[in-house]
Amino acid sequence: DIQMTQSPSAMSASVGDRVTITCRASQGISNYLAWFQQKPGKVPKRLIYTASSLQSGVPSRFSGSGSGTEFTLTISSLQPEDSATYYCLQHMTYPWTFGQGTKVEIK
Amino acid sequence: EVQLVQSGAEVKKPGESLKISCKGSGYSFTNYWIGWVRQMPGKGLEWMGIIYPGDSDTRYSPSFHGQVTISADKSISTAYLQWSSLKASDTAIYYCARQDEGGGYWGQGTLVTVSS
Repeated sequence: DIQMTQSPSAMSASVGDRVTITCRASQGISNYLAWFQQKPGKVPKRLIYTASSLQSGVPSRFSGSGSGTEFTLTISSLQPEDSATYYCLQHMTYPWTFGQGTKVEIK
Repeated sequence: EVQLVQSGAEVKKPGESLKISCKGSGYSFTNYWIGWVRQMPGKGLEWMGIIYPGDSDTRYSPSFHGQVTISADKSISTAYLQWSSLKASDTAIYYCARQDEGGGYWGQGTLVTVSS
């Protein structure tokens, strides 16, 4: 199985900060990577697909980059409503695998 | 509008069987893979497996293979996740998701509680 390692596991940042979350794959996955946001008690919501494509309706402060084994999700200016847990998912090879999640809190 | 509507919450005893459902609408159900994702209380997302309703081709995560069965009835645009003998450790929220580019559309989730 391809292991997806996210870092950090948790973080706290202030409104307006630039936030970067990293996801590393144990082997190359080209750009078969999606990022999801999940708020407590809510359904996961896709933010980014094919590593860097912004889901329709998602604010432009979210962006994704990377290819192969290293990927990043960036929030350019953190907003209060961005407090959530973020997950990456590789969908190149079965079984698809999620990262363990990054909890983002607002200071 | 694409929608995935899941069946309601279930409370079961250990050893009981269960089948939960996920009904798709607003798109051609047979043309997209549907996957299932588990979220145990306070934990992260786990990918369980996937089915192509057009021909019922199914793939499982090794962690779930033999523990659950994924199926679909294309005549009623519905995918299923079933257990033959539930354990307390199956207590979780289960999500279905249309698996285009990882999952752009998700069901609302089904809470399964297994307790004696």
